[in-house]
Amino acid sequence: EAQVTQNPRYLITVTGKKLTVTCSQNMNHEYMSWYRQDPGLGLRQIYYSMNVEVTDKGDVPEGYKVSRKEKRNFPLILESPSPNQTSLYFCASSSRGYEQYFGPGTRLTVT
Amino acid sequence: GQNIDQPTEMTATEGAIVQINCTYQTSGFNGLFWYQQHAGEAPTFLSYNVLDGLEEKGRFSSFLSRSKGYSYLLLKELQMKDSASYLCAVNNDYKLSFGAGTTVTVRA
Repeated sequence: EAQVTQNPRYLITVTGKKLTVTCSQNMNHEYMSWYRQDPGLGLRQIYYSMNVEVTDKGDVPEGYKVSRKEKRNFPLILESPSPNQTSLYFCASSSRGYEQYFGPGTRLTVT
Repeated sequence: GQNIDQPTEMTATEGAIVQINCTYQTSGFNGLFWYQQHAGEAPTFLSYNVLDGLEEKGRFSSFLSRSKGYSYLLLKELQMKDSASYLCAVNNDYKLSFGAGTTVTVRA
């Protein structure tokens, strides 16, 4: 089954404790992207990747890192999480120029 | 910068038609997406307009006018399951900027 998976689905952590949210797709898509979704603000793009070893900043990259060492994986790293990074995070993938397939989301709470 | 506006909420009756407008002012434009998102779920793709005009897909149609920076999503023969948020997003060289979403409530 074609899908985008994210782990963990739910995470509660404390300020400053490094964490990684994994994202994996099995559709051989070149393009992958991370978003955060907050009430009243909609989806905002954090980082995106056009292909392996090619990443670029979206609209809200501060406080986040990404890497794309393999085509199927695109982890999101929070080196020192802060409460303002409490949000719902979505990973997505697509073939270039076509519809994006979204993962199920990761609900992160930073206390 | 990117500025994408859509109404916050709309309510309609089952079987009716609803039109969700989206206006945008962005630094670049390659196309406009519409997504549907049910509460607690991930967004799912509805349409992608690159050229001006109307594209129809079953009960859903999407329109684009690039010169006016305007798009709309038309939902016909509304069903209860269409109650969801509808998101428009502008594609600018693979950077996607989303509007805040329009919550549509369908009443019996």
